[in-house]
Amino acid sequence: DTGVSQDPRHKITKRGQNVTFRCDPISEHNRLYWYRQTLGQGPEFLTYFQNEAQLEKSRLLSDRFSAERPKGSFSTLEIQRTEQGDSAMYLCASSVTTGEDTQYFGPGTRLTVL
Amino acid sequence: GENVEQHPSTLSVQEGDSAVIKCTYSDSASNYFPWYKQELGKRPQLIIDIRSNVGEKKDQRIAVTLNKTAKHFSLHITETQPEDSAVYFCAARDDKIIFGKGTRLHILP
Repeated sequence: DTGVSQDPRHKITKRGQNVTFRCDPISEHNRLYWYRQTLGQGPEFLTYFQNEAQLEKSRLLSDRFSAERPKGSFSTLEIQRTEQGDSAMYLCASSVTTGEDTQYFGPGTRLTVL
Repeated sequence: GENVEQHPSTLSVQEGDSAVIKCTYSDSASNYFPWYKQELGKRPQLIIDIRSNVGEKKDQRIAVTLNKTAKHFSLHITETQPEDSAVYFCAARDDKIIFGKGTRLHILP
């Protein structure tokens, strides 16, 4: 499968627990993006990486959220002390800065915080 | 920062008719304008995009127009079919992509 993959696809957790999501971008894509999407809304930008460097973080990303891309390939998004308001679809996308730089999305991880 | 407004939020058209979705953006530095289609429970899929040095682009039944002076861009779907029913998002990008809130398109039989 040469597309963007995300794991897990679904996560149910209790309030206060920590969760971690993984994104594997398309091979050789140097940019990786994280978005959050709630029902009836468009994806909201959270953060993005170029290779292993985190270039920008949205104000939406509170200090409970952290993202890493240690080797410039896969990325993880961790949410600490989850709150019910964190319930959403977390989407990852990747692109390559040479050529079209089109973003391709993964299937998302749906988080439900009880 | 960039702000993207999208209208209408819901659109119903008779099968075979055309559908038009309009967006405006605020950041004149934005240079890339993709459109994504999202079916229920699925990931956004890129359907067409346009760059700031082009005024119009067409791909079969789908066309996008861009007016950089007015900061408007639009999606046109002709000869609509039932499978066109979905939520459509416009977006604008300088570095990161900022999405509109989406248009739910219903194709009526």
